[in-house]
Amino acid sequence: QKEVEQNSGPLSVPEGAIASLNCTYSDRGSQSFFWYRQYSGKSPELIMSIYSNGDKEDGRFTAQLNKASQYVSLLIRDSQPSDSATYLCAVKDSNYQLIWGAGTKLIIKP
Amino acid sequence: DTEVTQTPKHLVMGMTNKKSLKCEQHMGHRAMYWYKQKAKKPPELMFVYSYEKLSINESVPSRFSPECPNSSLLNLHLHALQPEDSALYLCASSQDRGGNQPQHFGDGTRLSIL
Repeated sequence: QKEVEQNSGPLSVPEGAIASLNCTYSDRGSQSFFWYRQYSGKSPELIMSIYSNGDKEDGRFTAQLNKASQYVSLLIRDSQPSDSATYLCAVKDSNYQLIWGAGTKLIIKP
Repeated sequence: DTEVTQTPKHLVMGMTNKKSLKCEQHMGHRAMYWYKQKAKKPPELMFVYSYEKLSINESVPSRFSPECPNSSLLNLHLHALQPEDSALYLCASSQDRGGNQPQHFGDGTRLSIL
């Protein structure tokens, strides 16, 4: 059973601080990794894709991938109340199936 | 604004009704997906169409019937649903089913079964 694991939270972070969200996966053959943000009652919105080891930055967001440790993370710098949402980690496995984590609820405190 | 359009946004139906959910994308994507999402859970894959052919059916009950009339459209026909089928139904598309491309979601249809 291929798995993607995330801490369900909630993760509470003060406004302006760095939020760090983590995800581990079981299929060592996975090649594509995605972070989606989902506001309550809304649909998932793609915020980052990462495919190779290292860091990928896009504005306040940085995705980090370590395939040896089977670990992917998302950092949000200068956290804003509007970043409060559930963050879903999704991993495309060796059969091209998208495996979802359960999501981490992030709360940014003003 | 999302490039995957779903209609209707909300649907309330009785257990004996027949209704359809619609999804449209104009990104030239060749893979389209239906997901079901319950509160506080991740999306759960129902069906995958690749090049207008059904490629994955995740053992979904026959009261859900997908249809892909062309490469831009995806329908989900509903009949004799149960109260436990109340959920957010999400359509997504990607460039194709394999490869590294991400899936892009529509806004979803909130379905309530009375």
